[in-house]
Amino acid sequence: AQTVTQSQPEMSVQEAETVTLSCTYDTSESDYYLFWYKQPPSRQMILVIRQEAYKQQNATENRFSVNFQKAAKSFSLKISDSQLGDAAMYFCAYRSAGETSGSRLTFGEGTQLTVNP
Amino acid sequence: GAVVSQHPSRVICKSGTSVKIECRSLDFQATTMFWYRQFPKQSLMLMATSNEGSKATYEQGVEKDKFLINHASLTLSTLTVTSAHPEDSSFYICSAGQGAGYGYTFGSGTRLTVV
Repeated sequence: AQTVTQSQPEMSVQEAETVTLSCTYDTSESDYYLFWYKQPPSRQMILVIRQEAYKQQNATENRFSVNFQKAAKSFSLKISDSQLGDAAMYFCAYRSAGETSGSRLTFGEGTQLTVNP
Repeated sequence: GAVVSQHPSRVICKSGTSVKIECRSLDFQATTMFWYRQFPKQSLMLMATSNEGSKATYEQGVEKDKFLINHASLTLSTLTVTSAHPEDSSFYICSAGQGAGYGYTFGSGTRLTVV
């Protein structure tokens, strides 16, 4: 079974600064997808960024980028120019590439990010 | 983009009654939907996988007779909490996906309070 670990329960960053959230995972599969989701106080889950395991290039979405290290099974999220609206719980998630019922999302424990003005 | 609508957003019910939560995919068809439960400051816990036209697959430890799931169409899945008790009070979230790699879109969640 796959597992996802986020070792930082809480992180804080100053507005306009950069912060990196860590995520490691364990799997025996070679093809899979990784995601970062954001859950603000409204509790609506929002997809921040996705990475396909077979792609070596790190995904980027505006101020958000990942550092995907497949061999190390590491998938960190970097938030540049942090904004107050970035404050939220961030979840790292894993999904197998298959379309079977096993293609559920496996979530990490989450990292609560605080952005200080 | 893909939109998943979940209703109601909040519900308060009396102990012993049943509550139904709806999850609809508005602009895509979803053969599979997922139901989660989330406690404050914790991660999402998968309760069951809802499959259109067939029985749901429940995670270990989830009472299938208490949490009834019906996925009668490609756009609608329902979760019914039967004979609710205060310990069932929680935040329930559904999600659906358009295909491998797209990630999943989540509903806005339902806060259930059993009094």
